[in-house]
Amino acid sequence: AAGVIQSPRHLIKEKRETATLKCYPIPRHDTVYWYQQGPGQDPQFLISFYEKMQSDKGSIPDRFSAQQFSDYHSELNMSSLELGDSALYFCASSSVAGVAEETQYFGPGTRLLVL
Amino acid sequence: DAKTTQPPSMDCAEGRAANLPCNHSTISGNEYVYWYRQIHSQGPQYIIHGLKNNETNEMASLIITEDRKSSTLILPHATLRDTAVYYCIAYTGGFKTIFGAGTRLFVKA
Repeated sequence: AAGVIQSPRHLIKEKRETATLKCYPIPRHDTVYWYQQGPGQDPQFLISFYEKMQSDKGSIPDRFSAQQFSDYHSELNMSSLELGDSALYFCASSSVAGVAEETQYFGPGTRLLVL
Repeated sequence: DAKTTQPPSMDCAEGRAANLPCNHSTISGNEYVYWYRQIHSQGPQYIIHGLKNNETNEMASLIITEDRKSSTLILPHATLRDTAVYYCIAYTGGFKTIFGAGTRLFVKA
């Protein structure tokens, strides 16, 4: 079965540079979530989109922005990168938006290293 | 979403059942109990979920107490590949999922 695709899988950037992470949800999934997981930490919710509109926001820095496109893929844009942005970034998708019984399917993640 | 409490770590012998507890004493009537696991830096993987009835699938069983204040995830025959961090989440929908600390399960040969 098709899964969530994330690209790139690994990314190395310098401080103050910009990075763009991409997420392709499972076909017919219209909701996308982004999570950040620092070393030794649990996944932290960043932002979510439903039908191309932002639906909720977590602890996402102002330097980060995201959007969902007409084909439902999503991009997380990160500017003025800091060393502390080094983390795993996961995308998840679901097909039943916002209800209590909603299973999220996660991608393999993008490992970002900021030097 | 209700806060969940899990033991930080547990051990299990390979081939034995692994029973992972979760306390969610403030769960509301419409919150589902979801379990995910994360195997060493991979994306979290859905395991099972339930509302008030016990559930079973090919991966695990979920036992929810009658008052819904706690639940137990059961891996019937744990293997080394089940070593992972297991997250119990009480979820009411709303486009946002909060992961707690989880239980780190070590399956030993």
